[in-house]
Amino acid sequence: AQSVTQLGSHVSVSEGALVLLRCNYSSSVPPYLFWYVQYPNQGLQLLLKYTSAATLVKGINGFEAEFKKSETSFHLTKPSAHMSDAAEYFCAVSRAGGGADGLTFGKGTHLIIQP
Amino acid sequence: SQTIHQWPATLVQPVGSPLSLECTVEGTSNPNLYWYRQAAGRGLQLLFYSVGIGQISSEVPQNLSASRPQDRQFILSSKKLLLSDSGFYLCAWTSTGTGLDGYTFGSGTRLTVV
Repeated sequence: AQSVTQLGSHVSVSEGALVLLRCNYSSSVPPYLFWYVQYPNQGLQLLLKYTSAATLVKGINGFEAEFKKSETSFHLTKPSAHMSDAAEYFCAVSRAGGGADGLTFGKGTHLIIQP
Repeated sequence: SQTIHQWPATLVQPVGSPLSLECTVEGTSNPNLYWYRQAAGRGLQLLFYSVGIGQISSEVPQNLSASRPQDRQFILSSKKLLLSDSGFYLCAWTSTGTGLDGYTFGSGTRLTVV
């Protein structure tokens, strides 16, 4: 079965600093991996996805993530944090290795941006 | 373009009352549809998914049920709500196949059972 672990339920960075949100996955088959962002009382918005093409994936709003098979990781980064980046971030892995029967999510990381 | 609609946005219901949440998708056909629940501090839990009309897969035994009466309509129901049913309910869709295009989420329904 697939699973996702997000290290750190809360991450605080200063505006302009590097953002690093950690995600490790477990999958018995080659995974498809996703990062989503959620603003308060809203649905989830897709930031980026890894579907076995390039291991460095660029997404919206300046975010990117690197798939590292040897480390079973898919960490999300952004070079310079902006106040508007404050939100909840979820890492997810496709169930059954790419079948369309849903995603398994991590518990989320709340990103706080300090002025 | 494809859009997904959920309603209502917020709902306060007494314990023991029925529930019906509706989700519809526009601009696509034969989507895979999903219901997730987000409880405080517990991430997102997949409740149901459907690959076609009348086809429902249940992930977690609970007080809820789902139905898909039309191709682009997905309904979440309960006959008698429990306090533990409170949470943020999200509907999502993806095109049939591998899910490579990603999953698109609705704006959610905040359910409070009192």
